[in-house]
Amino acid sequence: DQQVKQNSPSLSVQEGRISILNCDYTNSMFDYFLWYKKYPAEGPTFLISISSIKDKNEDGRFTVSLNKSAKHLSLHIVPSQPGDSAVYFCAASIQGAQKLVFGQGTRLTINP
Amino acid sequence: GAVVSQHPSWVICKSGTSVKIECRSLDFQATTMFWYRQFPKQSLMLMATSNEGSKATYEQGVEKDKFLINHASLTLSTLTVTSAHPEDSSFYICSALDGGSSYNEQFFGPGTRLTVL
Repeated sequence: DQQVKQNSPSLSVQEGRISILNCDYTNSMFDYFLWYKKYPAEGPTFLISISSIKDKNEDGRFTVSLNKSAKHLSLHIVPSQPGDSAVYFCAASIQGAQKLVFGQGTRLTINP
Repeated sequence: GAVVSQHPSWVICKSGTSVKIECRSLDFQATTMFWYRQFPKQSLMLMATSNEGSKATYEQGVEKDKFLINHASLTLSTLTVTSAHPEDSSFYICSALDGGSSYNEQFFGPGTRLTVL
């Protein structure tokens, strides 16, 4: 049972444009969400997070938006840069619990 | 700060042998560490949660006798794959929870690629 889903395995975006990565979840108990970036043969690195009490969180070029009623979150990267090319994982957790549940990942390719 | 290392970064072993993977938090104390495995083009799947000084908690479907976890200190957790078989070939990643940071902020190691021949 995949509780966190990233339905797009890959996404290709032109440099300078906006990248939008999507994530859906099924467990309504999840109340904290994170995005991680992963390069090949490396561990994931934390990018940005959002609590369920918010609907948007921004950090520089990165914005995470949460739609609780739709159980959907998205990551916006603008402007996209070649160094953003990586696999992006969304993850969810329940407050008080330490476990993270990951989506399958979306491979983002930024084209010059 | 918040650096997690893993050793080795890759290992090739013969079927039937055991392999130990180390996970270290270099600049913080980690009361909790996690072990994940990732198959190609798939998600990170949590295998077990390791708490310093106590037995690990394994996820459903993970054989505790096959994947031995020891978290003997606040900076070191080890995963031993016993009697490894080709189907155990995977990318194993650990993460550590910094008790001094916001909850659920896990810092990941670079991973260990295990290939069992």
